[in-house]
Amino acid sequence: AQTVTQSQPEMSVQEAETVTLSCTYDTSESDYYLFWYKQPPSRQMILVIRQEAYKQQNATENRFSVNFQKAAKSFSLKISDSQLGDAAMYFCAYRRAETSGSRLTFGEGTQLTVNP
Amino acid sequence: EAGVTQFPSHSVIEKGQTVTLRCDPISGHDNLYWYRRVMGKEIKFLLHFVKESKQDESGMPNNRFLAERTGGTYSTLKVQPAELEDSGVYFCASSLWTSGGDGYTFGSGTRLTVV
Repeated sequence: AQTVTQSQPEMSVQEAETVTLSCTYDTSESDYYLFWYKQPPSRQMILVIRQEAYKQQNATENRFSVNFQKAAKSFSLKISDSQLGDAAMYFCAYRRAETSGSRLTFGEGTQLTVNP
Repeated sequence: EAGVTQFPSHSVIEKGQTVTLRCDPISGHDNLYWYRRVMGKEIKFLLHFVKESKQDESGMPNNRFLAERTGGTYSTLKVQPAELEDSGVYFCASSLWTSGGDGYTFGSGTRLTVV
């Protein structure tokens, strides 16, 4: 069974600075997807970024980027130029690479605080 | 496009009572999922519908939980009778049948408190 681990229950960062959230996973699959979701206080989860395991290039979405280390099964999220609106719970998630319909496996979440 | 809608947003019930949660997915999304997060723990999968059929219900904790998806549209999750350990946030998500590596669209969740 696949597992996802986020070892940082809480993190804080100063506004405009950079923070990295850690995520490791375990799987025997060779092809899969990895995601970072953000859940602001309003509670709707929003997809931040995704990575296909077969792609070596790290995904980037504006101020958000990942460091994907497939051999180490590590998938960290870097937030640059942190903004107050980045404060949220962040979840790392894994999904098998089927055509459709496979479940997401989540980590425990990291609560990010952004200090002004 | 309307998102995934869940209601109620909050529910407080007494142990032993029944509660029904509802999820309206995005129109045309064949896949519908229920997840649950118990306080401080990871979000766990409950079950997956493809249209009106249960594709995978291996995450349902016990037979006090009953999920249905009428006509492949909205879904309900009934807890009967509710126990204290059922408290948590219940999330619904939907996706297109053909979606590959895309994530899902989540609802805002229903916060269930059993007292």
